[in-house]
Amino acid sequence: DTEVTQTPKHLVMGMTNKKSLKCEQHMGHRAMYWYKQKAKKPPELMFVYSYEKLSINESVPSRFSPECPNSSLLNLHLHALQPEDSALYLCASSQANSPLHFGNGTRLTVT
Amino acid sequence: EDQVTQSPEALRLQEGESSSLNCSYTVSGLRGLFWYRQDPGKGPEFLFTLYSAGEEKEKERLKATLTKKESFLHITAPKPEDSATYLCAVHGQGAQKLVFGQGTRLTINP
Repeated sequence: DTEVTQTPKHLVMGMTNKKSLKCEQHMGHRAMYWYKQKAKKPPELMFVYSYEKLSINESVPSRFSPECPNSSLLNLHLHALQPEDSALYLCASSQANSPLHFGNGTRLTVT
Repeated sequence: EDQVTQSPEALRLQEGESSSLNCSYTVSGLRGLFWYRQDPGKGPEFLFTLYSAGEEKEKERLKATLTKKESFLHITAPKPEDSATYLCAVHGQGAQKLVFGQGTRLTINP
């Protein structure tokens, strides 16, 4: 079990659907991250929130919309995705100068 | 630009056969080098942080070492449950994000 919880574990959605990925941590970490990981590749950073404010957007297409409702929660809203967006989406959290703690991800399939 | 290269890309060992994984890096000032283990379909699991050349960390059958240009993850007498992808990442001074290597896929045969 990890201390970063992601739901759902699996998600299948059509290209016209709207869905959301959720992430929760109760370690008191003030930075939260979204990563995308394709098969046999390392995680690729998408967004960083620091103290509930968006601090990094790695030029991610607008069909991905992050939200940080409070210091423990992180959402990723999905709309009009493409099949190439199918991947493992990982959430992570950290405290200043500490390593990232990852959740077990959401396996997303876009049909 | 910070860069990380891991080798080999894949490694297959027999149970009990010790070996080392390499992580070579170039960074303008190292804030930290991180080792993670990732099982299929799971998120990366944190193993070690190393901050300065000469530092070593150990956990069970794993030992991580650091020089100014590379880090090694030594695996002593591995067991099949050590099979996983091992990821190395660096955080450079002034960088806003981690830079990951491509990973080493380790398979331990019984």
